[in-house]
Amino acid sequence: GAGVSQTPSNKVTEKGKYVELRCDPISGHTALYWYRQSLGQGPEFLIYFQGTGAADDSGLPNDRFFAVRPEGSVSTLKIQRTERGDSAVYLCASSRGPTRTYNEQFFGPGTRLTVL
Amino acid sequence: AQTVTQSQPEMSVQEAETVTLSCTYDTSESDYYLFWYKQPPSRQMILVIRQEAYKQQNATENRFSVNFQKAAKSFSLKISDSQLGDAAMYFCAYRGVIQGAQKLVFGQGTRLTINP
Repeated sequence: GAGVSQTPSNKVTEKGKYVELRCDPISGHTALYWYRQSLGQGPEFLIYFQGTGAADDSGLPNDRFFAVRPEGSVSTLKIQRTERGDSAVYLCASSRGPTRTYNEQFFGPGTRLTVL
Repeated sequence: AQTVTQSQPEMSVQEAETVTLSCTYDTSESDYYLFWYKQPPSRQMILVIRQEAYKQQNATENRFSVNFQKAAKSFSLKISDSQLGDAAMYFCAYRGVIQGAQKLVFGQGTRLTINP
């Protein structure tokens, strides 16, 4: 596709349920990032993939959050035992890379997760 | 850890006028990138302008320009000839250059309103 796509656009779930959020990066982009944006805040980094491996997962808040990118393209963010505090917009971005020089991160439209 | 601070939660400007959005940051690194992103209600983060820290010249993109003060760790965005389509949330962001420092660190955002 022309840009980064994310599905679903909106997800409503109940406390304690399991959810999966999908990100389809720009073709050929080896780097993929997940960010979480709480209401009224700036995005916060969760995890960065280079190819299939998680190069930096320091932003994952706890072990209920997990992300995979098995073939180096599509990524899935998985949240177990969801809590109301997990409600946020989850943004995905992709870029060429990694290099020392600048590679622009292109963002998807996000998935708005609401935990009731 | 790097931090980014935007002290103006909201700003408004008359159409065709000029507005300046403020941003300060904290880092111990000498080389890095700074960005301004625009986020309209569609949630899509759009890159407005970027600045490489090693460049003394302020970046300019059409009606958008920055005032980069490295010693003061200040990075403001000036929007000239404001247009209705400029209304959005604006986020200042920082990115390091060392290997593994690919994540963006965002400020809290400034909501810009354009008055016709």
